[in-house]
Amino acid sequence: DTAVSQTPKYLVTQMGNDKSIKCEQNLGHDTMYWYKQDSKKFLKIMFSYNNKELIINETVPNRFSPKSPDKAHLNLHINSLELGDSAVYFCASSSPGRTYEQYFGPGTRLTVT
Amino acid sequence: AQTVTQSQPEMSVQEAETVTLSCTYDTSESDYYLFWYKQPPSRQMILVIRQEAYKQQNATENRFSVNFQKAAKSFSLKISDSQLGDAAMYFCAYRFPFMNRDDKIIFGKGTRLHILP
Repeated sequence: DTAVSQTPKYLVTQMGNDKSIKCEQNLGHDTMYWYKQDSKKFLKIMFSYNNKELIINETVPNRFSPKSPDKAHLNLHINSLELGDSAVYFCASSSPGRTYEQYFGPGTRLTVT
Repeated sequence: AQTVTQSQPEMSVQEAETVTLSCTYDTSESDYYLFWYKQPPSRQMILVIRQEAYKQQNATENRFSVNFQKAAKSFSLKISDSQLGDAAMYFCAYRFPFMNRDDKIIFGKGTRLHILP
């Protein structure tokens, strides 16, 4: 009964390739997010979606394209991977109303060689 | 712009002792949320404790408590009776008010906590 799941957990690929990371939440939340954690452990938001609508796009390169087929899923597609894209990518979700907690997935470690 | 600052990149504490992790933030909002997240080597982000800015009472969760000073924009985490399992990276985080369209969490750069046996 995993709350927020991501696949794959590890992804090793070469520069120039295109890859996707999938995220699913079974909490009934309306809002989902992608965060990037760099090699210095700094966590920064990339995107947020509310009910399949893009809310936040934090000046992320166009090579990154989130897609939300329904409110339980938020996938991240990355084109033309670069060395600097190597990081851990976290998916998160939160519920509507005045609750404020974000639930994080286990993270996907992306290594670009 | 809102910022979160953790001035201690690393700290160490003896097992069973008490340690305090510092955090300051900057915001012009009056209603917001503050969190401490723990990230052990498994890299899972675990919520340790939360504080709503409109509540004056400091939040407490078992061995974890905060010292929330709204006027000073300070939000420190105190861990009592430190245990080996507390060793992790700790992130202080700020979330915008409810219904604010800029719905995201801003994280500090983290404090790595070592527990000495």
